Amino acid sequence: AQKVTQAQTEISVVEKEDVTLDCVYETRDTTYYLFWYKQPPSGELVFLIRRNSFDEQNEISGRYSWNFQKSTSSFNFTITASQVVDSAVYFCALSEAEAAGNKLTFGGGTRVLVKP
Amino acid sequence: DAGVTQSPTHLIKTRGQQVTLRCSPKSGHDTVSWYQQALGQGPQFIFQYYEEEERQRGNFPDRFSGHQFPNYSSELNVNALLLGDSALYLCASSFTAGLPSGANVLTFGAGSRLTVL
Repeated sequence: AQKVTQAQTEISVVEKEDVTLDCVYETRDTTYYLFWYKQPPSGELVFLIRRNSFDEQNEISGRYSWNFQKSTSSFNFTITASQVVDSAVYFCALSEAEAAGNKLTFGGGTRVLVKP
Repeated sequence: DAGVTQSPTHLIKTRGQQVTLRCSPKSGHDTVSWYQQALGQGPQFIFQYYEEEERQRGNFPDRFSGHQFPNYSSELNVNALLLGDSALYLCASSFTAGLPSGANVLTFGAGSRLTVL
């Protein structure tokens, strides 16, 4: 069975600090996809990034960057120079590549509070 | 371009009652998934509909049922409500074509918050 663990329940930072969110996953599949979603107070989950299991290249997109390490089953996410608008709950999620559907298994989420 | 719309946004029911939640997918999307998110937890997959059929189901009892209509909109029905069914119910849509299913990016609605008293 698939499992996603986000050990940090809440992180509080001051604006302009960097924030790194940890995510550890378990799966028996050899091919899978990893996602990060953001849930602001309004409720809808907003897609941030997707990574497939066969591409471990780490990238930067604007203020977001991610570190995917298949050897340790980790998919960490960093917000650089945080802003108040980054305050939200962040979810890491996992899906099988070839499943009949695209069921996402979510972690418990990390609440990020960015103070002015 | 409207995203995923859900109705109602909030509702209160009592134990034993039945509830129907509705979802209109994002324009161009043909697949609808439903998730249950209890307070302080991550979303849990309920089921997914494609071509008006249930394609995949999570670990939820038969009290949870759904339907997809020819216009791709969907309903989630929950019978014999329990206190534990109180949660935010999220609908997500995606387009199933080309890419392996697991790669599809889901677009979520703002959810229907159900309170069972």
